[in-house]
Amino acid sequence: EAGVAQSPRYKIIEKRQSVAFWCNPISGHATLYWYQQILGQGPKLLIQFQNNGVVDDSQLPKDRFSAERLKGVDSTLKIQPAKLEDSAVYLCASSRAVTYEQYFGPGTRLTVT
Amino acid sequence: GQQLNQSPQSMFIQEGEDVSMNCTSSSIFNTWLWYKQDPGEGPVLLIALYKAGELTSNGRLTAQFGITRKDSFLNISASIPSDVGIYFCAGQLGVGSKLTFGKGITLSVRP
Repeated sequence: EAGVAQSPRYKIIEKRQSVAFWCNPISGHATLYWYQQILGQGPKLLIQFQNNGVVDDSQLPKDRFSAERLKGVDSTLKIQPAKLEDSAVYLCASSRAVTYEQYFGPGTRLTVT
Repeated sequence: GQQLNQSPQSMFIQEGEDVSMNCTSSSIFNTWLWYKQDPGEGPVLLIALYKAGELTSNGRLTAQFGITRKDSFLNISASIPSDVGIYFCAGQLGVGSKLTFGKGITLSVRP
């Protein structure tokens, strides 16, 4: 079974630029999560989707971050405009609905200069 | 907000030794999970605990869900070089609720 795919793996941008990350979850997984992992910290949930609906986006900085999962499969996370403090690894995870195990992708390492 | 405390930040052990890691919280969680993260990869689930007092093993790993539901520990026995990585505890209030992660413990194993 293929794992969670993310691209790009690395991205370097200047502050105030825009960036987008893509995630393809494990086939059949209805729940998709985006996490932000700052260096030296554990992952922090940004947004959770159930199919194409948002379940929890309480920790998403909505003035600059947006995410969508239009067809209930792939998802994109966008930052516009980026700030220095957005430098982090952005992890996507997926799970079958309402089970505990989340499978994580390898992440996208974002550096904002 | 809820916080999970893991300390120390780093641990150094000799190959073959056992190691124990603790995770504590000021609030109750109904599920505790332990993840391992290798460099450049996402976290991988090691053990999940669903009931207070539960003791679960997975090979050389043993984890327990504290009776108070505010702590958990992970033991690794007879460590090997591939045990190197960052170990995170995570708590979950209920089915489908968000995971809250600790800051992680970086484990180094000397051959």
